[in-house]
Amino acid sequence: GEDVEQSLFLSVREGDSSVINCTYTDSSSTYLYWYKQEPGAGLQLLTYIFSNMDMKQDQRLTVLLNKKDKHLSLRIADTQTGDSAIYFCAAKNAGNMLTFGGGTRLMVKP
Amino acid sequence: SQTIHQWPATLVQPVGSPLSLECTVEGTSNPNLYWYRQAAGRGLQLLFYSVGIGQISSEVPQNLSASRPQDRQFILSSKKLLLSDSGFYLCAWSEVGTEAFFGQGTRLTVV
Repeated sequence: GEDVEQSLFLSVREGDSSVINCTYTDSSSTYLYWYKQEPGAGLQLLTYIFSNMDMKQDQRLTVLLNKKDKHLSLRIADTQTGDSAIYFCAAKNAGNMLTFGGGTRLMVKP
Repeated sequence: SQTIHQWPATLVQPVGSPLSLECTVEGTSNPNLYWYRQAAGRGLQLLFYSVGIGQISSEVPQNLSASRPQDRQFILSSKKLLLSDSGFYLCAWSEVGTEAFFGQGTRLTVV
């Protein structure tokens, strides 16, 4: 089955850019997602990218996909304290199965 | 539009008691349905998924079971809860070509 890996923790200063990385193993993954989870809440979809795209930008969020290396990243520009949360990468394969990474806890210091 | 409902939001149950968590989806047909568990401070663990009525796949052996009695209803159950069943349980659904939608989660504390 698919494996999706993320680093556990990232700490940045307010106003800096954050880059959260993710790798996946199934080259047939069709969609790749980034979710945000705030304490005690469910997962909120932030953005997604289709596998035939290299980049997608949505306001402060930029997703980069390197399909050859099976590497996905989420860049948050001008990171704010409200961005502190756990960020999950997820991949959907051709069989419509979702696999999530373990989540990256982003801490934003004022 | 599609919506997902998950209840209850919080639950405190004694060890050895039964469990039933329910998830329903509206506005879609024949979705894939998922139950995830998130232990405190950790990532998501896929427990069960279902591609249709009565079709349940289990990802890990455990004290829990799942059922899909209707197309848009997914139930997570246990006959006797263990302390290790405590966690945050999330229901989700997806279709081909759409993002995955999550419920708001159920925080289960087994005491």
